[in-house]
Amino acid sequence: GQQLNQSPQSMFIQEGEDVSMNCTSSSIFNTWLWYKQEPGEGPVLLIALYKAGELTSNGRLTAQFGITRKDSFLNISASIPSDVGIYFCAGQIQGNEKLTFGTGTRLTIIP
Amino acid sequence: NAGVMQNPRHLVRRRGQEARLRCSPMKGHSHVYWYRQLPEEGLKFMVYLQKENIIDESGMPKERFSAEFPKEGPSILRIQQVVRGDSAAYFCASSPSSGEQYFGPGTRLTVT
Repeated sequence: GQQLNQSPQSMFIQEGEDVSMNCTSSSIFNTWLWYKQEPGEGPVLLIALYKAGELTSNGRLTAQFGITRKDSFLNISASIPSDVGIYFCAGQIQGNEKLTFGTGTRLTIIP
Repeated sequence: NAGVMQNPRHLVRRRGQEARLRCSPMKGHSHVYWYRQLPEEGLKFMVYLQKENIIDESGMPKERFSAEFPKEGPSILRIQQVVRGDSAAYFCASSPSSGEQYFGPGTRLTVT
């Protein structure tokens, strides 16, 4: 089955720094979604991407759908303490509703 | 979490008992999905349902697990004769159609 690899697995950054993380797949996806999960909670949808090459922003977050359709990137600018959490990418194949989730990137902000 | 409701939030069962997890989708959403998450891992798809129909159950174990989404009422994920390996967080998501899925807060199942 499909596998999504996220990197880095974890990041330790200082407040105010920019963050970049990516997600790569062995298969093509038609939709990429980025979620954030905090302890004890469900994933919260951040950004949805539907077209190869698409670049979409949501406040300080920007995500891109890779041209090959096998990867996606998420950037967070000027990080703040509430950005702490685990970020998951998820891919969806056309005609198949289930989401395949990545392994997650844990973001920690050092005071 | 955009209005998807799950209950209970925490459930403790002894080995061999049954677990029933409930999910009420967002208003206007007719697609429901169940996922399982083990500690320190991503979510794994279990089953996709529309009202009164199971559309895709490719991620559901063949035995002891079942799901339904009746015409009236919440979607139910049922685990019979629970074992320790069933301990996990179970998340429900809903969508109005294909694409974006919105998740509930999850049910944390602990099997003792």
